[in-house]
Amino acid sequence: EVQLVESGGGLVQRGGSLRLSCAASGFTFRSYWMSWVRQAPGKGLEWVANIKEDGSEKYYVDSVKGRFTISRDNAEKSVYLQMNSLRGEDTAVYYCARCGSGTYGNYYGMDVWGQGTTVTVSS
Amino acid sequence: DIQLTQSPSFLSASVGDRVTISCRASQVISNYLAWYQQKPGKAPKLLVYAASTLQSGVPSRFSGSGSGTEFTLTISSLQPEDFATYYCQQLNSYASITFGQGTRLEIK
Repeated sequence: EVQLVESGGGLVQRGGSLRLSCAASGFTFRSYWMSWVRQAPGKGLEWVANIKEDGSEKYYVDSVKGRFTISRDNAEKSVYLQMNSLRGEDTAVYYCARCGSGTYGNYYGMDVWGQGTTVTVSS
Repeated sequence: DIQLTQSPSFLSASVGDRVTISCRASQVISNYLAWYQQKPGKAPKLLVYAASTLQSGVPSRFSGSGSGTEFTLTISSLQPEDFATYYCQQLNSYASITFGQGTRLEIK
């Protein structure tokens, strides 16, 4: 079964750090771009970051640049999101998602999603 | 950055109705557009990719159309399980991906 399972969410103080993990199974992980998408309480979806199959390209939404770092370990079939200098507006459910394979993989959308992990930043 | 504007934001309809949701992009994105369905407390589910290709396993009452900057998602005959929130998403580049603000579809 194709599956993504996130972990690492929790309650953290403003200015603190948290590392999210996403474990993949059931597909050839090293062949896919991976993404993180978040959803603040009662709000819509927001793309956060992407990482290429081999980790050589990484992209971020402007609001997290310089604070968040996406990484992956293909041997462990996992993708990570290191979140530093957390703010109240980072409070959200964070989903990892599979985002296509190859040069035109973005054509295919995000076809596999995890169940999400909740991050709450307190003041 | 490419902005997506969905309309309407809220839609009230009955079982059996035909509904259409629109999504407009602020610049041309070819057909790099996807549609998702999300139910409360659940992860989004991919319905349509490449603007008009139905994801495997998605019922044929769902269809997508459009290209360039104007796109639509149509549900031909609403079923009880279709009441949810729908999002469009542009993936014109891996460097910047955006979602529309969402359309909440409720039972009339």
